[in-house]
Amino acid sequence: RKEVEQDPGPFNVPEGATVAFNCTYSNSASQSFFWYRQDCRKEPKLLMSVYSSGNEDGRFTAQLNRASQYISLLIRDSKLSDSATYLCVVIVSGNTGKLIFGQGTTLQVKP
Amino acid sequence: DTEVTQTPKHLVMGMTNKKSLKCEQHMGHRAMYWYKQKAKKPPELMFVYSYEKLSINESVPSRFSPECPNSSLLNLHLHALQPEDSALYLCASSQVAGDAYNEQFFGPGTRLTVL
Repeated sequence: RKEVEQDPGPFNVPEGATVAFNCTYSNSASQSFFWYRQDCRKEPKLLMSVYSSGNEDGRFTAQLNRASQYISLLIRDSKLSDSATYLCVVIVSGNTGKLIFGQGTTLQVKP
Repeated sequence: DTEVTQTPKHLVMGMTNKKSLKCEQHMGHRAMYWYKQKAKKPPELMFVYSYEKLSINESVPSRFSPECPNSSLLNLHLHALQPEDSALYLCASSQVAGDAYNEQFFGPGTRLTVL
């Protein structure tokens, strides 16, 4: 079983839609959680850090459920520019701060 | 300013060449990283430098040789690479290494092709 699992998609949604991605992690010692966004042939860019139960930044909401060991990312009012791959990333306590990446979820927002 | 720069953007090299990738950050971060990313895969950690010392080598072949001349610079020296080493090479930095609250910021990458 992978340490961090994501549905690779692709998720094809119309502009204005609300879309949610889930990510599950296997190590209960996971301590920090992040969502990165990666455009095609570009570098990953930090979208959100999720340190407690969750946080919101504009149209984006990230939630953490430690009991069930999953993180979610909700995007409201999708824009064409939201089309990208979203990487779920976890840091395990005592693991030298190493990032553990999920395989990524691809989102395609259509006009 | 959360900027990490990398040069060159693209590099084509033969299997007998020696080349170097360069990375620079001016955020005062004391941890720097090299990652390798193949198409449609997440980044894979190669090396971690903490306070200019190599702290993690993820069993990377010796044809990849990292160097950290100072706290702002990170190099990756390449020698006798194989075609399967063709990938996007990403540099990243963070305030410190080994911290669970460790936001890493990535550079734009060097797209390497080995012929």
